[in-house]
Amino acid sequence: SQQGEEDPQALSIQEGENATMNCSYKTSINNLQWYRQNSGRGLVHLILIRSNEREKHSGRLRVTLDTSKKSSSLLITASRAADTASYFCAPTEYGNKLVFGAGTILRVKS
Amino acid sequence: GAGVSQSPSNKVTEKGKDVELRCDPISGHTALYWYRQSLGQGLEFLIYFQGNSAPDKSGLPSDRFSAERTGGSVSTLTIQRTQQEDSAVYLCASSLAPQLTDTQYFGPGTRLTVL
Repeated sequence: SQQGEEDPQALSIQEGENATMNCSYKTSINNLQWYRQNSGRGLVHLILIRSNEREKHSGRLRVTLDTSKKSSSLLITASRAADTASYFCAPTEYGNKLVFGAGTILRVKS
Repeated sequence: GAGVSQSPSNKVTEKGKDVELRCDPISGHTALYWYRQSLGQGLEFLIYFQGNSAPDKSGLPSDRFSAERTGGSVSTLTIQRTQQEDSAVYLCASSLAPQLTDTQYFGPGTRLTVL
């Protein structure tokens, strides 16, 4: 599996604002997953988008995938202090191990 | 069980000692993964078990690292003759099966500190 590169490295926003994180990868994928990690709940799967999907929603999360540009974005709307965490993308081949980059550190200020 | 569990949650050991880390996957999950995460870094794959197939050991950093999975359930990661660079959080994850879902569920991790 390949490593995704998250951008920006760090993001600081006010509660209620939207947060957008980007992920780029290099080769073809079966799916791309986003995970969140904070000290309270460890590493948690957020959403998976398959290579034949372009957009997916889950609650306040919206993920897009552009396979022609080999990139994905994660949008968190109406952010909350509890969204403060590190966010990782994992471009994944079928049934394979995950490889995370350094992630995007999101800080939501209340 | 309710989720993936790992023990111990913290382990401090002296350089040169052996350590064993345990992972209990979610009941019914056939795939089990070990990763490690060094401070401020991403996830580094170590080893992957799927059913009765031979494990994928391609991520093990040296022959001091080994893992086994008994009865298709509990797994133990063993690090022999620990070194300071082995200090990291060791994470275990399980998934139902690669053929059915690619979602991995992570345990809380074991924080290993080698003095």
